[in-house]
Parts: sequence; C-alpha cells; structure tokens
Amino acid sequence: DVKVTQSSRYLVKRTGEKVFLECVQDMDHENMFWYRQDPGLGLRLIYFSYDVKMKEKGDIPEGYSVSREKKERFSLILESASTNQTSMYLCASRESFRSGANVLTFGAGSRLTVL
Amino acid sequence: AQTVTQSQPEMSVQEAETVTLSCTYDTSENNYYLFWYKQPPSRQMILVIRQEAYKQQNATENRFSVNFQKAAKSFSLKISDSQLGDTAMYFCAFASIQGAQKLVFGQGTRLTINP
Repeated sequence: DVKVTQSSRYLVKRTGEKVFLECVQDMDHENMFWYRQDPGLGLRLIYFSYDVKMKEKGDIPEGYSVSREKKERFSLILESASTNQTSMYLCASRESFRSGANVLTFGAGSRLTVL
Repeated sequence: AQTVTQSQPEMSVQEAETVTLSCTYDTSENNYYLFWYKQPPSRQMILVIRQEAYKQQNATENRFSVNFQKAAKSFSLKISDSQLGDTAMYFCAFASIQGAQKLVFGQGTRLTINP
C-alpha cells in the first residue's frame, strides 16, 4: 500500500522557534507538495517540488521554506514560527505531472500550534 | 488564476438519503481535471472521483457520481444511499493540464450522515 508519512501528527511550538515538518513517500513519486488547511479557506499550496532539489513557490510561501535533498523526502521549514502559522499542514505526492494521472496521495497531516 | 468555490460549508442528511454537494470553478482553459476528495474525521484525504474536462460523460464510482456542466463551470457530487462512513469533509479541486498542474482546492463542505 502506497504511503505518505508525516513525522509528527501534533506539535506545539513557541513563537520564534524554528520548526521542521518532515514528509516521506515510498512510491518513488517525482512531485511533492505542502498544503496548509484552515477552516473556511480549504487547502492552500505553500510550496511544491517537481523533483529532487527542485522547488517552486505556491500561493502562500511567505514565512516558509522547503528542502528536497532526496526524492522520497520533502521538508517544510518555518524559520521563525508565528501564531498565524498555527494550522494543519498536509503533505502530498504525485507520480509525475507528465503521467496524466494527476492524483495526489496525502499524508495524515501535522497539526501545528504556535504559542 | 483559477478559483474553486464550494458554497455549502455544512450539510447534514439521514442515512440512506441522496445528497448533492455543489462546486463551481473559474478558468479560461478548455481542458483540465476536476476532483472530489474526501477527508474523514482524523483520517487521511483520499480521492473520491475524477473528471477530465474533455470527456462529456459524467464520471461514476459506485455510489458517487458527478454532474459536470462545462459551460456553467459547475461540478457537483452526488452521493446515493448515503452511509455513516460518508461523514467527512469534501473538497472540490481543479487542476490545469498545462504547466505544473497544481491543484486548486475549494473551501470544503462538512457532510454529516445521521443514523
């Protein structure tokens, strides 16, 4: 069974802390995504990666950065966490945009609270 | 930029009833993908159904079917014979076939199936 695993299900951090959210997929997918989910706003794309060491900004990249050093791992980094970054973070992967399948496989989510 | 709108924040029906979730989208493109994803309480987001815009026939997956009205830019989801396990957040999503094929999500509809 294909899997996208997010390392932390729940995190509580202090304002100003550096936060790492890790995501690993075991499907040899090229594309990986980080979304933020907030009530009434749905899912908003933060960053995505076409392939190893490639990344592009999504719709709300401010305050975030990402790293993809290996194909299976895509990390989301909050350099200095702020209270408005309290949210549910969803990682997803996709085989490739060339495949035409265009179906995302999601992780279980990481609920981050910044105090 | 494409937008996706789900105008029903919450819906509630009795078990075995039929329910329709609404979704409209805005795009100037002629070909694209549309999706319905389901997020059960505390569980991962999964794909329910997918429609390719160039296909006139509405997609169907068991009890789930869509009403795709391309000219009206409408993509509703019908759930027949609803079951308790259908209780979830439902998200409508759009993806262009051009470029990165990023998915744009709607705000979500919280569906509750009552016994």
